[in-house]
Amino acid sequence: DTGVSQNPRHKITKRGQNVTFRCDPISEHNRLYWYRQTLGQGPEFLTYFQNEAQLEKSRLLSDRFSAERPKGSFSTLEIQRTEQGDSAMYLCASSLEGGNNQPQHFGDGTRLSIL
Amino acid sequence: GNSVTQMEGPVTLSEEAFLTINCTYTATGYPSLFWYVQYPGEGLQLLLKATKADDKGSNKGFEATYRKETTSFHLEKGSVQVSDSAVYFCALRSGNTPLVFGKGTRLSVIA
Repeated sequence: DTGVSQNPRHKITKRGQNVTFRCDPISEHNRLYWYRQTLGQGPEFLTYFQNEAQLEKSRLLSDRFSAERPKGSFSTLEIQRTEQGDSAMYLCASSLEGGNNQPQHFGDGTRLSIL
Repeated sequence: GNSVTQMEGPVTLSEEAFLTINCTYTATGYPSLFWYVQYPGEGLQLLLKATKADDKGSNKGFEATYRKETTSFHLEKGSVQVSDSAVYFCALRSGNTPLVFGKGTRLSVIA
């Protein structure tokens, strides 16, 4: 069990640029979640996948954000035309399917800084 | 909707002191409750969980009891160590809804 892996760990970019983050979940987990965490706050849900299907999206996920999980394994989160307010830690988590008591296992996150 | 309220931090304690971090929740249905810990520069790690009323979750000397009558899930530890310094998040999940987190409580333990 290698845990949830996220890349890159840090991303610094200029406003208006596009960025893409990658998440590799625990291999047997079929659910994958994306969260955003700003300074001094808890993580906020963005979206989740069951296998390759994107089942739910938060209203926080504006049309500049898109997430994919094409083969039901790794996932990417892309932000187009980045804005200052996008600066945050982006966390990925994975879990097994099956009820609300299945714990989610988190990666170390990608910290995005918009200049 | 579902929500979690945690006590405001930061909390500063001396080593070997008793720790309580309060957490109350509002939820529909029968939620599962979780405590996660986040060390500096890292993601969240599951600390403990409880899935039904009166369950007690415990791990690494920490424990929390699911109290349905008071809608609470307070985190306790009898004797904290410097290595426990971190941010602690209370969270809940009800049905197929996503995890809902509190704002976190920063704990600093000094030797």
